[in-house]
Amino acid sequence: AQKITQTQPGMFVQEKEAVTLDCTYDTSDQSYGLFWYKQPSSGEMIFLIYQGSYDEQNATEGRYSLNFQKARKSANLVISASQLGDSAMYFCAMSPDQTGANNLFFGTGTRLTVIP
Amino acid sequence: DAGVTQSPTHLIKTRGQHVTLRCSPISGHKSVSWYQQVLGQGPQFIFQYYEKEERGRGNFPDRFSARQFPNYSSELNVNALLLGDSALYLCASSLIGGRGETQYFGPGTRLLVL
Repeated sequence: AQKITQTQPGMFVQEKEAVTLDCTYDTSDQSYGLFWYKQPSSGEMIFLIYQGSYDEQNATEGRYSLNFQKARKSANLVISASQLGDSAMYFCAMSPDQTGANNLFFGTGTRLTVIP
Repeated sequence: DAGVTQSPTHLIKTRGQHVTLRCSPISGHKSVSWYQQVLGQGPQFIFQYYEKEERGRGNFPDRFSARQFPNYSSELNVNALLLGDSALYLCASSLIGGRGETQYFGPGTRLLVL
């Protein structure tokens, strides 16, 4: 069974500072994908970054980077130079190695608040 | 380009009623997935459709059903509504729904069951 764990219900960060949001996962699959989504109060899930289990390099997308440690089964999101607009819920998700459905398993999320 | 669109944005129903939610995927995307997000939780997978065929189903009762149309839009139907069905229903689209493919979400439909 697949499971995503986000142990930080809430995080605070000063504007322009970097912040790390934690995510650990559990799967017996060898091939899987890891995603981070941002959910503002409006409700829409915004795709941020993707890491494949066989990718040797950590994924980066602008101010977002994914610290992927396969042996520890962790996929932490690092946001650099935080902005006020980064305040939102952040969800880690996994796409398991299954034929057929492309379903995502989500964690419970971390609420990030950026302080001016 | 337009993103994923969903209608209606908000809905209030009473227990026992039926509801239909609609989703239009990003142009060119052939796969649509539905998720339920209860307050304070992450989204839970309900269905995935690709080329009008059901490709996957999550752990939801038979009261939940869906279909996909030739233009790749989709409907989610929920019968005999329960209070616990109150949630944000999210639709996501992807190109072909392949394993690990990025899904792009719509703004969701907020359903309140009284």
